[in-house]
Amino acid sequence: AQKITQTQPGMFVQEKEAVTLDCTYDTSDPSYGLFWYKQPSSGEMIFLIYQGSYDQQNATEGRYSLNFQKARKSANLVISASQLGDSAMYFCAMREHGSGNTGKLIFGQGTTLQVKP
Amino acid sequence: DAGVTQSPTHLIKTRGQHVTLRCSPISGHKSVSWYQQVLGQGPQFIFQYYEKEERGRGNFPDRFSARQFPNYSSELNVNALLLGDSALYLCASSLSRQLNEKLFFGSGTQLSVL
Repeated sequence: AQKITQTQPGMFVQEKEAVTLDCTYDTSDPSYGLFWYKQPSSGEMIFLIYQGSYDQQNATEGRYSLNFQKARKSANLVISASQLGDSAMYFCAMREHGSGNTGKLIFGQGTTLQVKP
Repeated sequence: DAGVTQSPTHLIKTRGQHVTLRCSPISGHKSVSWYQQVLGQGPQFIFQYYEKEERGRGNFPDRFSARQFPNYSSELNVNALLLGDSALYLCASSLSRQLNEKLFFGSGTQLSVL
């Protein structure tokens, strides 16, 4: 079963507008962490934002915010004021505490975002 | 400060050959992980090493092996290459194995198996 699901293979957004990238996850572990990474065409994965399962507030990092809905098991990434440089592949990932393998990140399939001028 | 460095950046091999990929973590980082990313998919976990010991292994055949050296650099070895091993191999380092520890990735080694 897919642990991380990203249902949007591709998204378009107009420059300066906001965009939401969807992510749902599946785990029975009460302690877990959720990450979003950006992968430009160069290949390097760039960390954007982190949300812990016990965090009371939604995480924010500059123009990035995470809409965390624990009951729905969703962790959507919101990018405000999109820039041309935001065009990239975006991955949602999860780390489970109880697996005994806490270094492992489980990634979704990714969403390609294109920002139009 | 230098980020995670991987070598080589590109590699072309033929079926049945062996390949060694190298990774230098960020200075001070003791954990190194390896991921395989097939075109159009998310990265898949292969190995994690922490303090020179294997701490995690993904669902990959025994043809895949790795090790971490005293300076925390790492090598990923793949024997008897198959066409399906063609992928971007990403190395990531982190300070620890804490739940909220973010991974820092290198730019990867693009392996093509012909």
